[in-house]
Amino acid sequence: GAVVSQHPSRVICKSGTSVKIECRSLDFQATTMFWYRQFPKKSLMLMATSNEGSKATYEQGVEKDKFLINHASLTLSTLTVTSAHPEDSSFYICSASSTATGNTIYFGEGSWLTVV
Amino acid sequence: QKEVEQNSGPLSVPEGAIASLNCTYSDRGSQSFFWYRQYSGKSPELIMSIYSNGDKEDGRFTAQLNKASQYVSLLIRDSQPSDSATYLCAVWNFGNEKLTFGTGTRLTIIP
Repeated sequence: GAVVSQHPSRVICKSGTSVKIECRSLDFQATTMFWYRQFPKKSLMLMATSNEGSKATYEQGVEKDKFLINHASLTLSTLTVTSAHPEDSSFYICSASSTATGNTIYFGEGSWLTVV
Repeated sequence: QKEVEQNSGPLSVPEGAIASLNCTYSDRGSQSFFWYRQYSGKSPELIMSIYSNGDKEDGRFTAQLNKASQYVSLLIRDSQPSDSATYLCAVWNFGNEKLTFGTGTRLTIIP
């Protein structure tokens, strides 16, 4: 299957700081990337959908000014958690799709964020 | 009513037996259906996709889709301990272009 890579896999940051997570599609051009958040023993919750070159579409209840998403190229999307707080600690997962994957969605490895 | 519903389990199955996982969805317009496997602390991994009514087999896995009943299932034959994981049913909605997940079923294969 297609390869989607996330970095970093684990990050610890201090409360009040910002942290950036990168999502790359390694062997295909991703026209659409999705960002999910998953709390322990809970299902994946879609945060936002981003299309290359346009602003991300955020789900209801997700603060766009806190979770900045940039999809500057067909192979890279970034999620920046600004002014992080302990309640932002979670597993963040990106996924990507395109017509090259038959619109099947492939997931990155996920990034564990701990805010202390 | 949740858009995609799964029995949260846990579901325990003896090694070598058939594990049956079920999922129902509410949007009749849904066209694409996926089963993902997620190990604890890891990202979901695509196991099967199914788009048409009927069965689709891939190795030990069989996905079954019944659009009239809005029901999709996953059968795992000859269950192995390595199959122990949470299985997520996901439904793609072409209208809003979103993949909606069920809450997942935790499967444990007992050696």
